[in-house]
Amino acid sequence: EVQLLESGGGLVQAGGSLRLSCAASGFTFSSYAMTWVRQAPGKGLEWVSGISGTGGSTYYADSVKGRFTISRDNSKNTLYLQMNSLRAEDTAAYYCAKVGSISMVRGVITLDYWGRGTLVTVSS
Amino acid sequence: SALTQPASVSGSPGQSITISCTGTSNDVGGYDYVSWYQHHPGKAPKLMIYAVSNRPSGVSNRFSGSKSGNMASLTISGLQAEDEADYYCSSFGSSYGSISILFGGGTKLTVL
Repeated sequence: EVQLLESGGGLVQAGGSLRLSCAASGFTFSSYAMTWVRQAPGKGLEWVSGISGTGGSTYYADSVKGRFTISRDNSKNTLYLQMNSLRAEDTAAYYCAKVGSISMVRGVITLDYWGRGTLVTVSS
Repeated sequence: SALTQPASVSGSPGQSITISCTGTSNDVGGYDYVSWYQHHPGKAPKLMIYAVSNRPSGVSNRFSGSKSGNMASLTISGLQAEDEADYYCSSFGSSYGSISILFGGGTKLTVL
């Protein structure tokens, strides 16, 4: 059974940093790309970042480019999101999601399993 | 939001409803990578349709997807109370050399 468990959320002041983690199990982690998706209070889903199965290719939404860094440790089956220079508008539930293929640009580009999310609150 | 969905739809048990999702030739119209997700607040979103019209194992055949040009659709037939949730479309998108996964703003389905 595929399981994704996010952690690392919390309350942080504007300008601060947080690192989110996503522990994965139930599948061969290195064979799949992974993504982060967020949902601000009362808003819809917003894709944040993605990374290929090997970690060699990374992608970011314009809203976080230059401030957030996605990475993965395939030996620990763990996905990370380092968030710097946080802003009030980054307040959201952050979900980790598995992509249906090793690549973000070819294959089964869908998010077939999701975690339950971790809440990040940025106070101004 | 990058993709346009109606904010809400409703239907009675047993009826059918359709949710539309409109994009551009750089996303919905240009790739067969449209997905639909069901989200009950406080829970993990669930994949319902991928690659426009494919159902993952375990998803009821009451859910179906289609696409024409820049618009995709999700149809739920034989509505049941448990279908009440938020539904999001998404698509792979590419422009100016960068890629992204785009989402619609979400549609709240109410089962009357």
